[in-house]
Amino acid sequence: EAQVTQNPRYLITVTGKKLTVTCSQNMNHEYMSWYRQDPGLGLRQIYYSMNVEVTDKGDVPEGYKVSRKEKRNFPLILESPSPNQTSLYFCASKVAGGPYEQYFGPGTRLTVT
Amino acid sequence: AQSVAQPEDQVNVAEGNPLTVKCTYSVSGNPYLFWYVQYPNRGLQFLLKYITGDNLVKGSYGFEAEFNKSQTSFHLKKPSALVSDSALYFCAVRARDDKIIFGKGTRLHILP
Repeated sequence: EAQVTQNPRYLITVTGKKLTVTCSQNMNHEYMSWYRQDPGLGLRQIYYSMNVEVTDKGDVPEGYKVSRKEKRNFPLILESPSPNQTSLYFCASKVAGGPYEQYFGPGTRLTVT
Repeated sequence: AQSVAQPEDQVNVAEGNPLTVKCTYSVSGNPYLFWYVQYPNRGLQFLLKYITGDNLVKGSYGFEAEFNKSQTSFHLKKPSALVSDSALYFCAVRARDDKIIFGKGTRLHILP
């Protein structure tokens, strides 16, 4: 089954404790992306990657890091989480370029206290 | 600046009535436009897209969308709403460099 998986699905952590949210897709997509969803603000892009070793900032990259060492994986790293990073995070993938739709993971709900 | 606007935070429609969820966009060049739906506690699911050609695009679950270049709009429509259509709907546009821009979402309530 074609899918995007994220782990963990739920995470409660404390300010400053480094964390990684993993994302993996099995569709051989070149393009992968991270979004955060906040009430009233919709979906905002954090980082995206058009292929292995190629990453670009989205609209809200501050406080986040990503890496793309393999085509299927695109982890999101919060080196020093803060309470304003409490949010619902989605990973997505698609064929790069052109008019292709994205496939979304189930989401990771992160709470930073 | 490239952007997507969904002017209504919430739309209420009686079951069986037609529904419209509005979206306008601002992007250079020919746009690729998308609609996604999010059910509670789920990720986003693709509904339909406009690439080129026919201005009326048909998608999943009986939804369709009308592209209007002069008004830079891409409104989502359905002739007869179902209670199960109640969800959060997002309009999106593919901008340059494959950057995807989403609107803030419109919550659709279908009243039985």
